[in-house]
Parts: sequence; structure tokens; C-alpha cells
Amino acid sequence: RKEVEQDPGPFNVPEGATVAFNCTYSNSASQSFFWYRQDCRKEPKLLMSVYSSGNEDGRFTAQLNRASQYISLLIRDSKLSDSATYLCVVHTGTASKLTFGTGTRLQVTL
Amino acid sequence: GAGVSQSPRYKVAKRGQDVALRCDPISGHVSLFWYQQALGQGPEFLTYFQNEAQLDKSGLPSDRFFAERPEGSVSTLKIQRTQQEDSAVYLCASTKNVGSYNEQFFGPGTRLTVL
Repeated sequence: RKEVEQDPGPFNVPEGATVAFNCTYSNSASQSFFWYRQDCRKEPKLLMSVYSSGNEDGRFTAQLNRASQYISLLIRDSKLSDSATYLCVVHTGTASKLTFGTGTRLQVTL
Repeated sequence: GAGVSQSPRYKVAKRGQDVALRCDPISGHVSLFWYQQALGQGPEFLTYFQNEAQLDKSGLPSDRFFAERPEGSVSTLKIQRTQQEDSAVYLCASTKNVGSYNEQFFGPGTRLTVL
């Protein structure tokens, strides 16, 4: 079983739609959680950190449920420019490495 | 300011050839990471440096992979006797400080194709 699991998609949604991505992680000792965005043939870039209290950045809302070891990302009012792969990322232990999910591909269409 | 840079951006190697991939982190960044990203997968951790010290190399897939950062800035990932399964994008990332809450800034990657 992979440490971080995501539905690879693709999710095809029309502009203006609301879309939600989910992610589960297996290591209960995981400490920090993130969503990264990766455009086609580009490097990953931090989208937002994820906190237990939930956090929002404009149209994006991230949520962490430690008991269920579950992370979510909600995108409201999708734009064409949101089309990308969204990577669920977990940091565990004293080492500084990040563990990435396989990514969920989003395609927003007209 | 300048971000993380990597060279070459693309590398084609014949099976059995040795390759060297370079990473220039953001100036002053203490931590440097190498990741391998296969097609359709997320990046997978290879190794981590804090300054010049290689503190974690648990992700290196075999002893054909070797990384160094002798002066605590530029790093080189070397792959000896390349195999087809080494074909992937190799990403380098750096962070300013040590610790899990520091954002990792990624370079554009080197796309390695082994024929």
C-alpha cells in the first residue's frame, strides 16, 4: 500500500464547477500536510498547507482529518487556469523529505 | 530572484552510460533534496543534504546512484551504468531552513531518457 493515496482522475469539469479531491495517508505519525500543484511538464509548486482547523485561500479550501488520516482540497468556481495535477503531500518523522501521492489530474473545460 | 536551476534540462543516454545531473539551489538555502518522478507518478524522494552533509540517502534505488554537495551549495546526482528503468524526471528542491514547515522550492527538473 502506498503511503499517500489519491484518485488519479482525470476529473473533467466545466468552468464554474466545484470540485473536491481526497487523499489518504497511512502513517499516523505524519506531521505536516500540503497540496502542491504541478502543471504539465513543469515542477511542483506549493499550493497550500493543510491544517486540522481547515484553511481557505480564495477559491481553495483544504481540510485535514487526523483521526481518519484524510486530506481534502475543494476548488470552487473552477477556472480554465486551474487545469493541472494536484499532488497530496505528507511530511513524516524527523527527516525532511516529503512523500507525494501520485497526483489527481484536473481538466477544466469551457 | 533566481530560483532553483537544473542542468541539463534534457538528457538522452545509451544504456550503460554514466550521467551527471546538476542542481543549483536558491542562494543561501541550507537543505537540498533530490526526487525522481516517473511518468504518471508523483515525485519520489531520493536523498537529502543539509549543507554539505548527506543526512538521508534512503531513497536511492541502487548503488549506481550517487549524490554529492561538497561545498554546501551546488549538488550533483550521478547515475552509473544507466538502465532503461532510470528514465524519469529528476527534480531538485531546496529550502531555506531545516524543518518540516519550510516550503520546498523545486527546479524545472532534468528529463532523462535511457535508450
